[in-house]
Amino acid sequence: AQSVTQLDSQVPVFEEAPVELRCNYSSSVSVYLFWYVQYPNQGLQLLLKYLSGSTLVKGINGFEAEFNKSQTSFHLRKPSVHISDTAEYFCAVNTNQGGKLIFGQGTELSVKP
Amino acid sequence: GAGVSQSPSNKVTEKGKDVELRCDPISGHTALYWYRQSLGQGLEFLIYFQGNSAPDKSGLPSDRFSAERTGGSVSTLTIQRTQQEDSAVYLCASSLERGAAYEQYFGPGTRLTVT
Repeated sequence: AQSVTQLDSQVPVFEEAPVELRCNYSSSVSVYLFWYVQYPNQGLQLLLKYLSGSTLVKGINGFEAEFNKSQTSFHLRKPSVHISDTAEYFCAVNTNQGGKLIFGQGTELSVKP
Repeated sequence: GAGVSQSPSNKVTEKGKDVELRCDPISGHTALYWYRQSLGQGLEFLIYFQGNSAPDKSGLPSDRFSAERTGGSVSTLTIQRTQQEDSAVYLCASSLERGAAYEQYFGPGTRLTVT
């Protein structure tokens, strides 16, 4: 079975500062990794995904994440955040069978001026 | 094109009543998923449909929950004899095919409140 742990439930940060949202996973099989963002009162939107190949993945809105197999991590980073990045961020895993996503508990990113 | 739509956007019901939640996936998407988002449990998988295959119901929390997908398109999630712990946002997603390479596109959700 797979599981996902997001280590921080809330991350407050000032505008233009860098941010890292941490995600660790557990699985006995190969996984595919995703980060989704949920803006207030909206559905989930895919930020980026890792399926194979380069371990550094770039996504929308200037976000990137690095897959680290030895550390079983997939941390999300942005070098300079904006107020508009305030949202909840979810890390998720899937397997090569596809189907259901297994989500972490979410990290609430709050960007302050 | 149009995204995934869900109706109603909000539903308030009394404990013990039945509710039906509807999902219209993106046209042409063969895979459809239901998830539940609640304060205590986070985002949980409920059920998914892939083409004409038997659905994966492994996430349904009790036999009060059921879902169907008619004609390979619209899906309805039914909760019978609702309980207060059923209060949550129910999210529907669809993807072109089953498989991790295919992005799941999410609808805006239905917020269910059981009083």
